[in-house]
Amino acid sequence: EAAVTQSPRSKVAVTGGKVTLSCHQTNNHDYMYWYRQDTGHGLRLIHYSYVADSTEKGDIPDGYKASRPSQENFSLILELASLSQTAVYFCASSDRGLVAETLYFGSGTRLTVL
Amino acid sequence: GDSVTQTEGQVTVSESKSLIINCTYSATSIGYPNLFWYVRYPGEGLQLLLKVITAGQKGSSRGFEATYNKEATSFHLQKASVQESDSAVYYCALSAGTQVVGQLTFGRGTRLQVYA
Repeated sequence: EAAVTQSPRSKVAVTGGKVTLSCHQTNNHDYMYWYRQDTGHGLRLIHYSYVADSTEKGDIPDGYKASRPSQENFSLILELASLSQTAVYFCASSDRGLVAETLYFGSGTRLTVL
Repeated sequence: GDSVTQTEGQVTVSESKSLIINCTYSATSIGYPNLFWYVRYPGEGLQLLLKVITAGQKGSSRGFEATYNKEATSFHLQKASVQESDSAVYYCALSAGTQVVGQLTFGRGTRLQVYA
């Protein structure tokens, strides 16, 4: 009954290739987020969205695009994957955009760029 | 910018023993930040363990407690008696009023291994 599901669970990509990470939520939440975690670091926000067909930049948006075609779906796109984008990516959703709002996370996608 | 520092690496504790995972923070925005502990069990996504939005208050959940200490800028996670099922990665995090909606500043995570 996972409410935020990510696909794929893991992926190996080649440098310069295109990668799309997908996220689907059944929480009926307006807000969705993409975070990345590098080994030995905390999670950092890449992009977020509060309504379909609109996305916003987070802390580290360079090299990433996001797409929100519907309330339920939120994708992260790496047009030209680079070695530095090797990381674990987490999608999350929240009901509203309040600063104390609880985030609901997916189980993550481990991306390795070779 | 904001930052969170927590106990590094892995903590190994025997079942039924007490636990403390340290967390200190630095927040540059006006006002006091909101503080969170998230936990990630093996194979799952992060989930909220507890949060405290008022300085001086204590949050608790599943036997874990954390007190928001604004003087010490700390939010240490404690449990009196851990169980094997508590084995997971624990993340301290904060959010502040001037940040992007839904943006949290996370610590690096602390892996807890409880053995029987």
